[in-house]
Amino acid sequence: DADVTQTPRNRITKTGKRIMLECSQTKGHDRMYWYRQDPGLGLRLIYYSFDVKDINKGEISDGYSVSRQAQAKFSLSLESAIPNQTALYFCATSEPNRDTGELFFGEGSRLTVL
Amino acid sequence: GQNIDQPTEMTATEGAIVQINCTYQTSGFNGLFWYQQHAGEAPTFLSYNVLDGLEEKGRFSSFLSRSKGYSYLLLKELQMKDSASYLCALMDSNYQLIWGAGTKLIIKP
Repeated sequence: DADVTQTPRNRITKTGKRIMLECSQTKGHDRMYWYRQDPGLGLRLIYYSFDVKDINKGEISDGYSVSRQAQAKFSLSLESAIPNQTALYFCATSEPNRDTGELFFGEGSRLTVL
Repeated sequence: GQNIDQPTEMTATEGAIVQINCTYQTSGFNGLFWYQQHAGEAPTFLSYNVLDGLEEKGRFSSFLSRSKGYSYLLLKELQMKDSASYLCALMDSNYQLIWGAGTKLIIKP
């Protein structure tokens, strides 16, 4: 089983619908992240959380919200999806050791907004 | 501001050596990462450089020159399974990662 699990893996929805992408991890890491990936662009950070009580906006948080329900769970919501939110979304975790900073990624959630 | 540049696509032959370059501009630096990403899959960690010089890990090596804002990933004895995108990422002064767009490496027999 994957250490970082994302659901759903694929989702097609319509403009204006509310969508939730869920992420759970068994690595015991405090830090969790949500990224989106678009063709020709680098990974862009949407939100990140360093512990259950800590939520921070990333580079492109507009149109998104998150919830850190527990150390192991971090959900991303699109309150009213729009077509330019069509992308591949990745959840990731890391340890709070700044010397490495290695990220462990989930398998990705491909979202299509029609 | 911060900026990372790497070639969009490269082609190499099985068994050969390829060097993927990454140049960056940043006001704060706390390390440079290389990740591998196969099509449709998650990125996986390859290497981390924070000091100048070469880090070797099997067939893969990564080099960093902080004064030149330059890194490269060297892949030796290329195998077909090395066909993937290679992502360069900079850790900035706030310990956040800034990602390049990735280099798609195509390996030909």
